Amino acid sequence: AQSVTQLGSHVSVSEGALVLLRCNYSSSVPPYLFWYVQYPNQGLQLLLKYTSAATLVKGINGFEAEFKKSETSFHLTKPSAHMSDAAEYFCAVSASGGTSYGKLTFGQGTILTVHP
Amino acid sequence: NAGVTQTPKFQVLKTGQSMTLQCAQDMNHNSMYWYRQDPGMGLRLIYYSASEGTTDKGEVPNGYNVSRLNKREFSLRLESAAPSQTSVYFCASSESTANSPLHFGNGTRLTVT
Repeated sequence: AQSVTQLGSHVSVSEGALVLLRCNYSSSVPPYLFWYVQYPNQGLQLLLKYTSAATLVKGINGFEAEFKKSETSFHLTKPSAHMSDAAEYFCAVSASGGTSYGKLTFGQGTILTVHP
Repeated sequence: NAGVTQTPKFQVLKTGQSMTLQCAQDMNHNSMYWYRQDPGMGLRLIYYSASEGTTDKGEVPNGYNVSRLNKREFSLRLESAAPSQTSVYFCASSESTANSPLHFGNGTRLTVT
């Protein structure tokens, strides 16, 4: 069984400030981890994914995330927020083995607001 | 490149009515999925199809049926709609490996009154 918890349903930052969106997971097997972004009235788009190759993963639009096994965390960061980063962000986990591929378990989502 | 296409984009149903949500992908993916999105609950898997000819239940299958018509198309049917099925429905597809990301359509916003 696997689960994801995103801490904070809403995060608000000023333009140019650090963005930190928190994600903790649980998984009985080594996980694959994903961050997706959803803009209003659109589907989800992949930001980045962790597949065990490297613990620090770089994604699109300047985002990155670090896999910390000891903390079971996969927090998303961006050094300097831009107005265009305002969206809802979802962390998701997939079990690495068997027939679980694609059966992602999603967190509850975090709405990011960026103030001028 | 269209990716994943869902129809319709919006639908309003009365309780007890039926309807089918359509989904097609042009990426030659084997696996397809239906998720529902509700505020504060993230996305929950309704049904998935690992390959053409197979379908399996996800986390919240009650009240839904699916058909994998061919490799491209995967439809979701509500036989007797209920207000609890008011949601945004997303279809997705992926390659058949655990680290393959999902490619999502733009969703169908369904309201059941």
